[in-house]
Amino acid sequence: EDQVTQSPEALRLQEGESSSLNCSYTVSGLRGLFWYRQDPGKGPEFLFTLYSAGEEKEKERLKATLTKKESFLHITAPKPEDSATYLCAVPTGGGADGLTFGKGTHLIIQP
Amino acid sequence: KAGVTQTPRYLIKTRGQQVTLSCSPISGHRSVSWYQQTPGQGLQFLFEYFSETQRNKGNFPGRFSGRQFSNSRSEMNVSTLELGDSALYLCASSLAGGAGEETQYFGPGTRLLVL
Repeated sequence: EDQVTQSPEALRLQEGESSSLNCSYTVSGLRGLFWYRQDPGKGPEFLFTLYSAGEEKEKERLKATLTKKESFLHITAPKPEDSATYLCAVPTGGGADGLTFGKGTHLIIQP
Repeated sequence: KAGVTQTPRYLIKTRGQQVTLSCSPISGHRSVSWYQQTPGQGLQFLFEYFSETQRNKGNFPGRFSGRQFSNSRSEMNVSTLELGDSALYLCASSLAGGAGEETQYFGPGTRLLVL
């Protein structure tokens, strides 16, 4: 069964304290891995798509990487405005089952 | 370019009623997917529409249905509401491909509370 697991469930950091969020997946024939950011009461906001092992993408203080079994979202010198829930998702059932999401990592950056 | 819009943003219904939610995709996007988000189950795929046809369907009962119009706008309907249907319902659009082919962009959601 296709699965997506994110860890940790919650993470509290001081402003400027870098860290990484993990997304491990089991899916046959990966067709892409997506990272989204979700603020309370809002819909997920697209961050990155990764398609193949070794691929990396960056945006401001965020960098996403992909291996054959997991993806990491690295946050460098975070600011309070980076506080949000970060979700990763993979297409499952060959895309026929939509996106399967992990439960997310709730990130809090304290000033 | 305007993003995905959903109406209404909030709804309160009672058990047994039915509800219709609306979604307007990003201009030029023809694929619309619907998801349910709850604290316990997270985000779960409901169905996807493309060219007015349901292309894919998740594991939800038949009380959940949808349709798409010729302008790509989509509606979803939930009949005989149950307490467990209380959730944030999210709509996502992409150009033409499904979840396995293109990035999906999400709307702000409709929060449904069933009493």
